[in-house]
Amino acid sequence: DAKTTQPPSMDCAEGRAANLPCNHSTISGNEYVYWYRQIHSQGPQYIIHGLKNNETNEMASLIITEDRKSSTLILPHATLRDTAVYYCIVRVAGGSARQLTFGSGTQLTVLP
Amino acid sequence: GAVVSQHPSWVICKSGTSVKIECRSLDFQATTMFWYRQFPKQSLMLMATSNEGSKATYEQGVEKDKFLINHASLTLSTLTVTSAHPEDSSFYICSARVGGSLSLNEQFFGPGTRLTVL
Repeated sequence: DAKTTQPPSMDCAEGRAANLPCNHSTISGNEYVYWYRQIHSQGPQYIIHGLKNNETNEMASLIITEDRKSSTLILPHATLRDTAVYYCIVRVAGGSARQLTFGSGTQLTVLP
Repeated sequence: GAVVSQHPSWVICKSGTSVKIECRSLDFQATTMFWYRQFPKQSLMLMATSNEGSKATYEQGVEKDKFLINHASLTLSTLTVTSAHPEDSSFYICSARVGGSLSLNEQFFGPGTRLTVL
């Protein structure tokens, strides 16, 4: 699975959009970008995933650059409950996929 | 999404005792379950992968005789920490994968178990 690079920490004002970057310059053509988050003392929670097109769901939007070497997770209106560690993971999906491997992630702190 | 539960959510035990942690997939069958460990301020580290009805595969550096994994059914996996010591104190998280799924979001996580060994 491709390696990812994320900033260790970010702050965001409550109600503002939180933009979390991730670099994955060695991503392969069949690898997807996944985002998970982990609120303190809880298990990881799936947020969103994508291959090359931008994706949006009720939680967030995922913007993937055209060369697929980086992506940005956008939380459009951050709340205090969005404070968590956000993990960007790149891997092959489907039946042959291996387990999710977590890097160090980005600690997002939403400030009141 | 699919729900994975863990029991207990936290446990405190004396050094030298054994502790069993259960992981259940509540509304789906999981042919593969994963056990992760997370120390304070660190990321999740995979300990082992277990497939229903077969022996678990342990990651390098994880003692298979100390961390016993049983995956006896498609909805239950257990992790037993034998002869626990204070250095085994950690947050243990299980994850379950839907068998044969074409879903791209196919790995679901439990809420974790906080183990404290005195």
